[in-house]
Amino acid sequence: KQEVTQIPAALSVPEGENLVLNCSFTDSAIYNLQWFRQDPGKGLTSLLLIQSSQREQTSGRLNASLDKSSGRSTLYIAASQPGDSATYLCAVRPKGTGGFKTIFGAGTRLFVKA
Amino acid sequence: DVKVTQSSRYLVKRTGEKVFLECVQDMDHENMFWYRQDPGLGLRLIYFSYDVKMKEKGDIPEGYSVSREKKERFSLILESASTNQTSMYLCASSYHRVLAKNIQYFGAGTRLSVL
Repeated sequence: KQEVTQIPAALSVPEGENLVLNCSFTDSAIYNLQWFRQDPGKGLTSLLLIQSSQREQTSGRLNASLDKSSGRSTLYIAASQPGDSATYLCAVRPKGTGGFKTIFGAGTRLFVKA
Repeated sequence: DVKVTQSSRYLVKRTGEKVFLECVQDMDHENMFWYRQDPGLGLRLIYFSYDVKMKEKGDIPEGYSVSREKKERFSLILESASTNQTSMYLCASSYHRVLAKNIQYFGAGTRLSVL
């Protein structure tokens, strides 16, 4: 059974710091891995989608990497800003489920101090 | 931009009531999903639908049903609400084709309290 774990559960950093959020999954048979951002009391916003054949994706100050063989992904945020404060979730789409199911981690709550 | 709209941001209901949560998407997506989100448990899939009138159970379907009479609308129904169904409910939609590139788009969520 696929499980997704995110460590740490919460992180507080000063503004301007570069940081890495970690995601691990137990089964490497996935279609893709997606990183989301969730602001308090709001829905999820897709940040980056990495297909199983890709190693990384970049969008602005965000870079996500995928190492399928080791079951790990990282989300790198450069030059963090207070506006980056949110919960970040990773999610994998496992193979063998018809591609419709997505397994989410519990998230890392990030607080960037001004 | 893709828009997924959930009809209510906040709902308060009483135990035993029948509750309807509505979700509408405007991008002609085939797939629609209902999740619930609870602290420490992440998002868990309740039901999904890959076409009109089609539905499949997710990981926690007990106590819920769904309806998809039109492509753009996916309703979650709590037949007899219970206190353990107090949660944040999130609706999502996605295209059917090219699953490897399939991005899910989420609504803003409905926070349901059952008293």
